[in-house]
Amino acid sequence: AQSVTQLGSHVSVSEGALVLLRCNYSSSVPPYLFWYVQYPNQGLQLLLKYTTGATLVKGINGFEAEFKKSETSFHLTKPSAHMSDAAEYFCAVSDREAGGSEKLVFGKGMKLTVNP
Amino acid sequence: DGGITQSPKYLFRKEGQNVTLSCEQNLNHDAMYWYRQDPGQGLRLIYYSQIVNDFQKGDIAEGYSVSREKKESFPLTVTSAQKNPTAFYLCASRRTGLAVYEQYFGPGTRLTVT
Repeated sequence: AQSVTQLGSHVSVSEGALVLLRCNYSSSVPPYLFWYVQYPNQGLQLLLKYTTGATLVKGINGFEAEFKKSETSFHLTKPSAHMSDAAEYFCAVSDREAGGSEKLVFGKGMKLTVNP
Repeated sequence: DGGITQSPKYLFRKEGQNVTLSCEQNLNHDAMYWYRQDPGQGLRLIYYSQIVNDFQKGDIAEGYSVSREKKESFPLTVTSAQKNPTAFYLCASRRTGLAVYEQYFGPGTRLTVT
């Protein structure tokens, strides 16, 4: 079964500093991977996704993620944090079933705090 | 504007009462999903539906029920059998097909049962 690990639950950075949110996955098939962001009391919004092809994926709001098969990782980065990046971030892997249905398996999330 | 509507935003119920959470989408998506979110637990899948009149249990279906009579609607009923129903509930939908499509999420309903 597919699974996602996001180690830790909180990360704090200074405004302008590098943001690095780690995600490791386990998948029995070539994975489809996603990063979502959630602002307080709101739904989730897609930041970026990896399907096939280029391993460095660029998303919205200056975020990007690199798929590394050898490390089973899909870490999210942003070169310079902005106050508006404060939110919770979820990594997810697609779980495709034999009958054609597809669901997402989420990590537990990481709360990002950005200090002025 | 296309999107997913969940109503109400906040819902309060007494213990022992069933309550139904609404989820409507106008994205013409075939697949729909219900998740429960608790602090520090991430999102856990309750039920999902790939097509009208068909749905499957997710990881935590006990104490919940759903219906999918229309493509655009996927209501979730939290029954009195659900031991700890207070949570934030998120509905999502997804286009189906050969390509890899992401899930789109609604704004959520926060349910408090006392």
